[in-house]
Amino acid sequence: KQEVTQIPAALSVPEGENLVLNCSFTDSAIYNLQWFRQDPGKGLTSLLLIQSSQREQTSGRLNASLDKSSGRSTLYIAASQPGDSATYLCAPDSGNTPLVFGKGTRLSVIA
Amino acid sequence: NAGVTQTPKFRVLKTGQSMTLLCAQDMNHEYMYWYRQDPGMGLRLIHYSVGEGTTAKGEVPDGYNVSRLKKQNFLLGLESAAPSQTSVYFCASRIQGAREQYFGPGTRLTVT
Repeated sequence: KQEVTQIPAALSVPEGENLVLNCSFTDSAIYNLQWFRQDPGKGLTSLLLIQSSQREQTSGRLNASLDKSSGRSTLYIAASQPGDSATYLCAPDSGNTPLVFGKGTRLSVIA
Repeated sequence: NAGVTQTPKFRVLKTGQSMTLLCAQDMNHEYMYWYRQDPGMGLRLIHYSVGEGTTAKGEVPDGYNVSRLKKQNFLLGLESAAPSQTSVYFCASRIQGAREQYFGPGTRLTVT
């Protein structure tokens, strides 16, 4: 059974800092891994989907890396802004089985 | 293209009452999911469907039933609501295969 851990559970940084969110998973037999953002009281929005054959995927100031063999993914946020404040969740995808989610990292970017 | 929509957005029930939550998607996705999200517990899968007329149990199915009579709709039913079912419920869908999953805005349910 896939288990997903996200560290840290919460993070507070000043505006402008670069930061890294970590995701680890126990079953490395995955096809891809998806990172989501959740704003308070809202649903989840997909940020990046990184295929198992890729090492990195970039979207604007976001960069996700995947090390499938070690069961790790990181989400790098460059030049953080207060608008980045949200909870970030990762979900490794084993194919046509339901996604398993980590509990998320709650990020606060202080102006 | 509305994506994934959920009805209602908020609901308060008394213990023992029943209700149905509706999830609709207009993206012709085969797979649909119901999750609940509770503080400190993350997202937990209740039931899911891989196609019209099919349903399967997830991690926390007890106390819930589902139906997928039409491809675009996935209904979640509570036959006899309990306070432990107070939660935020999210529906999601995706196309068959390992592709992006899309979420609805959520339904906040309180059972008193």
